[in-house]
Amino acid sequence: TQLLEQSPQFLSIQEGENLTVYCNSSSVFSSLQWYRQEPGEGPVLLVTVVTGGEVKKLKRLTFQFGDARKDSSLHITAAQPGDTGLYLCAGVAFNSGYALNFGKGTSLLVTP
Amino acid sequence: DSGVTQTPKHLITATGQRVTLRCSPRSGDLSVYWYQQSLDQGLQFLIQYYNGEERAKGNILERFSAQQFPDLHSELNLSSLELGDSALYFCASSADEETEAFFGQGTRLTVV
Repeated sequence: TQLLEQSPQFLSIQEGENLTVYCNSSSVFSSLQWYRQEPGEGPVLLVTVVTGGEVKKLKRLTFQFGDARKDSSLHITAAQPGDTGLYLCAGVAFNSGYALNFGKGTSLLVTP
Repeated sequence: DSGVTQTPKHLITATGQRVTLRCSPRSGDLSVYWYQQSLDQGLQFLIQYYNGEERAKGNILERFSAQQFPDLHSELNLSSLELGDSALYFCASSADEETEAFFGQGTRLTVV
């Protein structure tokens, strides 16, 4: 059972467009992380959000943690071909050490 | 480079066999996590060790086992292999149980 549901599963857009990826759960998490993974590589951490309602910005990427700490979104402004990859959200449950519950990911393709 | 080293990068073996995957965590990291990534299930948490002791178990099959040695490297043993065990296996490490984990590049296991 996947605790975290990501949508959309696939996204193909042109350079310069904006997009939003969603990560939803019925569970509450102590924190939530977003990763980017490229083919043949391990996931690379982009950001960790901890506080409900928190918004973090990383250049053209904006991450938001829901008020109830059950969901999150990733918004990319003016996407570039270098943004292409698999975006994964992962939640850390309370009292679980740092074992991550991953969504299945959103595969993003940005074409020039 | 995350500092987490996994060997081998690729492994091809036959059904019924046993293999050992190795992980060297980042220098100083005490916690090691193992994950399995397949196309249908996504990234699934298998097991966590902290300073040599098992701390958390996820969706790990009874045919799989792991350990963390005094020098903090970890091994994941997969036995009686089945076709469905073909996947990418990732190791991640963190300084302790409350900080972010960094992923290795993975071992791609193919069972034929």
